[in-house]
Amino acid sequence: DAKTTQPPSMDCAEGRAANLPCNHSTISGNEYVYWYRQIHSQGPQYIIHGLKNNETNEMASLIITEDRKSSTLILPHATLRDTAVYYCIVKNNNAGNMLTFGGGTRLMVKP
Amino acid sequence: DSGVTQTPKHLITATGQRVTLRCSPRSGDLSVYWYQQSLDQGLQFLIQYYNGEERAKGNILERFSAQQFPDLHSELNLSSLELGDSALYFCASSVGGAIGDEQYFGPGTRLTVT
Repeated sequence: DAKTTQPPSMDCAEGRAANLPCNHSTISGNEYVYWYRQIHSQGPQYIIHGLKNNETNEMASLIITEDRKSSTLILPHATLRDTAVYYCIVKNNNAGNMLTFGGGTRLMVKP
Repeated sequence: DSGVTQTPKHLITATGQRVTLRCSPRSGDLSVYWYQQSLDQGLQFLIQYYNGEERAKGNILERFSAQQFPDLHSELNLSSLELGDSALYFCASSVGGAIGDEQYFGPGTRLTVT
């Protein structure tokens, strides 16, 4: 699976959009981009995933660049409960379903 | 609440001992995954079972073993425990074994080895 690079930490004001970047310059054509988050020491929570096209669900939007070498997770109106570590994972869905977690980005939403 | 349950929540034991962690997947999910989260190693995949059969293996030590029972619950057995085995152990489940299934994580078992 391709390696990902994320900033170790970010701050965001409550009510504003949180934009979390992820670089995955070695991604190959059949690899998906997944985002999970972990609030404090709870179990990780699935957020969203995509292959090429931008995706949106009730939690977030995922913007993948045309060359697929980077992506951005957008939380449109961050709340204090969105404070968590966000993991960007690139996964080859033909090579099993296990997740390989990196260091993630610690997002702090401030009042 | 993800629907995945893990017991116990906390476990404190001594070096050299053996413990069993239990996981019940979401209703209808056939796959169970085990992950270990320690301060120095982060979140690491250990092993996956699908419908009772081992499907994939990660960085699981030989002292650790797992199984999935006919009712689909899973147990992770850790033996000859060392201080370095202290960690959070998460179980996750997904509908199938495959490809792209999103995983739902349980609340974890915090193991402390003294």
